[in-house]
Amino acid sequence: QKEVEQDPGPLSVPEGAIVSLNCTYSNSAFQYFMWYRQYSRKGPELLMYTYSSGNKEDGRFTAQVDKSSKYISLFIRDSQPSDSATYLCAMDAGGTSYGKLTFGQGTILTVHP
Amino acid sequence: ETGVTQSPTHLIKTRGQQVTLRCSSQSGHNTVSWYQQALGQGPQFIFQYYREEENGRGNFPPRFSGLQFPNYSSELNVNALELDDSALYLCASSSRPGDTQYFGPGTRLTVL
Repeated sequence: QKEVEQDPGPLSVPEGAIVSLNCTYSNSAFQYFMWYRQYSRKGPELLMYTYSSGNKEDGRFTAQVDKSSKYISLFIRDSQPSDSATYLCAMDAGGTSYGKLTFGQGTILTVHP
Repeated sequence: ETGVTQSPTHLIKTRGQQVTLRCSSQSGHNTVSWYQQALGQGPQFIFQYYREEENGRGNFPPRFSGLQFPNYSSELNVNALELDDSALYLCASSSRPGDTQYFGPGTRLTVL
């Protein structure tokens, strides 16, 4: 079993839709949670960073963490064609593992006009 | 743009050969991490260097090695290439371990 599982598979939504992306994890040592966006032929770029259970909002993006269920989500409101990319969740256990990120396998999102 | 650059962009090698990939970190960033991203997968942590010393390693064999230099550049070396080494190799720099990592565009390695 992988430490981090990301679902759903490829997503295709119309412009303006609300998108929900999810990851579950098995390692209870993970303390820091991130969402990265990766455009084709580019490296990942950090979208959201959280370290506590609850919600964090930044513009059209909301990150949600539920440590008791080992579950994190990213919501995108009013999705735009420019949001079309691969979204990766990433986790960090901190301590001696600080900065050694464990990623999910990614979700390919397509927003069509 | 993150200010992290990688070279070359693409590389084709034959099984058994050796390869060196290069990364130039953002100025002032003394931590560099390397990741391997297979097609359709998320990046997998290879190792991290902090102030020119290895500071943690993922589940990769010793034929994967690295160097970090005082001028914010670093290298990833892979010996005895295998077909499964074909992937996108990403480097990420940060001001210190645990801080936000800024990724380069990656080097696409194909092993034939």
